[in-house]
Amino acid sequence: SQQGEEDPQALSIQEGENATMNCSYKTSINNLQWYRQNSGRGLVHLILIRSNEREKHSGRLRVTLDTSKKSSSLLITASRAADTASYFCAINFGNEKLTFGTGTRLTIIP
Amino acid sequence: DTAVSQTPKYLVTQMGNDKSIKCEQNLGHDTMYWYKQDSKKFLKIMFSYNNKELIINETVPNRFSPKSPDKAHLNLHINSLELGDSAVYFCASSRGGGVRSNEQFFGPGTRLTVL
Repeated sequence: SQQGEEDPQALSIQEGENATMNCSYKTSINNLQWYRQNSGRGLVHLILIRSNEREKHSGRLRVTLDTSKKSSSLLITASRAADTASYFCAINFGNEKLTFGTGTRLTIIP
Repeated sequence: DTAVSQTPKYLVTQMGNDKSIKCEQNLGHDTMYWYKQDSKKFLKIMFSYNNKELIINETVPNRFSPKSPDKAHLNLHINSLELGDSAVYFCASSRGGGVRSNEQFFGPGTRLTVL
């Protein structure tokens, strides 16, 4: 299966702490994207990182990509209660579609 | 001002019925998608259209039929609904398409419950 595997499945941290979640895959990719889904809502795009990039930043978000290890991580710094959501990696393997991972459910404890 | 909109938001129906979900995007995107999200939050692509042409058709029962009257609309019709069709269905759109898969913009979802 080309699906991305995310870990951990669930993560609870105190507000203000950093949250890290990981995505691993098995074959070469074109790009990898991270999305957030709040409960009962649609997915919102966070960051896209291409296979020739190693790190990207957007506000409190930092994404890294290690193509040798076939893995990516999403770091959220100085977490806030509003960051509580499910986070998905989505991978483009060079065809027309995105394949979504299994998701990490993040809970920020105020 | 909603970028990607879907109707209805909730759909409760009996087994065997036929129903449709509508999607519209006002972003000027060329490509639209339908996804199914199951109870475990697993999101799976069903169909994709690029400029009204079907480009992705995953292994989906032929009871599901997408229709794209123009590039701003992609509707999903489901015949003979089954219990296993209960899920949240998301529409999405993106600029361009093909191997340069870009960020996708998602609608709010339609929660389908089949009784």
